[in-house]
This record gives sequence, C-alpha cells and structure tokens, in this order.
Amino acid sequence: DGGITQSPKYLFRKEGQNVTLSCEQNLNHDAMYWYRQDPGQGLRLIYYSQIVNDFQKGDIAEGYSVSREKKESFPLTVTSAQKNPTAFYLCASSPLQLDTQYFGPGTRLTVL
Amino acid sequence: GESVGLHLPTLSVQEGDNSIINCAYSNSASDYFIWYKQESGKGPQFIIDIRSNMDKRQGQRVTVLLNKTVKHLSLQIAATQPGDSAVYFCAENIRANAGGTSYGKLTFGQGTILTVHP
Repeated sequence: DGGITQSPKYLFRKEGQNVTLSCEQNLNHDAMYWYRQDPGQGLRLIYYSQIVNDFQKGDIAEGYSVSREKKESFPLTVTSAQKNPTAFYLCASSPLQLDTQYFGPGTRLTVL
Repeated sequence: GESVGLHLPTLSVQEGDNSIINCAYSNSASDYFIWYKQESGKGPQFIIDIRSNMDKRQGQRVTVLLNKTVKHLSLQIAATQPGDSAVYFCAENIRANAGGTSYGKLTFGQGTILTVHP
C-alpha cells in the first residue's frame, strides 16, 4: 500500500506546548512539503525539503520547525511561538524533477 | 497574491449536467497547472494537470482548458455525479531557485465548492 501517511489525524494542544506532526511516504519521492490550510482558504507553504538533511522556509515558516533525516520522513513541529496554530496541516511529496505534488490525508490541530 | 476570506465561490449543478469551474492565475511565468479535488476532512487529490505549452488536456470525464492570454484556467467535468461534490483547487507552478537548485513552487487558489444534487 503505497502513499503518504500523516499522523495523528486529530491533535489537541494546550497553549505553550510544542507538538510534532508526522509525515511518511513510501513513494521514493525526493521532495516533501508542509502546508497549512485555514477555513475557506487555499494552502500556504510552511516548509519544503528537496533532499535529505536539507530544507527551506516557505511563505509562513515562523513558529514552525522541520527535520529531514530520512528520505521517507518529514516531521513538522509546531512550536509555542506559533500564535495561531489551529488549522488543517497537509504534507505532500513529489519527484524532484516533476512538479506534481501528492498529498497525505492531513492532521487537524486544535489549540485548547 | 491570493484573495482570502471565508466565502468560497460555489457552483450547484444537477446530477448528469456538465460542470465548469474557473480559476484566474496570477503569474504569467507559471509553466504548469494542476487541478485538485478536496473532500471534507481529507487531503487534496490530484485530478489533472496541464503544461503552459498546451491549451487543452482531457482525462476521464474531465477537461482542463488554459488561456494564457487572459491567465485563465478552467476545469470541465462531464456528466457530474454526486461523488464529484467537493472543493476544487487550481494551483499554478513556477520554477523557483533556492540553494543553487530549482524546484517547483505551487501557489493555490482558494477553491470552489461544487455541490451536485441528485
């Protein structure tokens, strides 16, 4: 069963806590991406990574951090510095030389 | 930039009708376009794509038309079914450069809600 998996599906966080969202892919894709989606809006890019041990900030990176220690995995940490973290978070991947991105099922984060 | 807000464009059709969803893109340098379908609570699903050197591309029940002169993209769905009800996003791709290599950067529209009535 190939594809992109994200866990957990729902996540609740207290204010001041850091939380980490998991993203794993077995498609052998080089590039991976994290997006944030708010109600009624399009997707906004948080971070992306083209190769292992390398990643770049997207349009809204403040308050987030990532790592890319393995090709298959691209976890996203939502830190306490992110002032409005409640959103739907989507991970995507693509082959490096192609532009089509394929998405995981998403994680809905709610701050209590 | 993208307009933001809580009121997405909506399109309501009867089952069996053809649907046309429109999208205006922002950058004349965009070279690749994708349509995604997103059902409630799920991740976007790839539908069809088109490169900027094409005007039209057809898939199964779907057709994408690209008008570069007016920077307009449309998705046509033939014989729309209730299972087609979802939010549809267009995305434009621009090759960007970072760290000495190029990568594709997608910019998404806010989406259109398609509702298909039986």
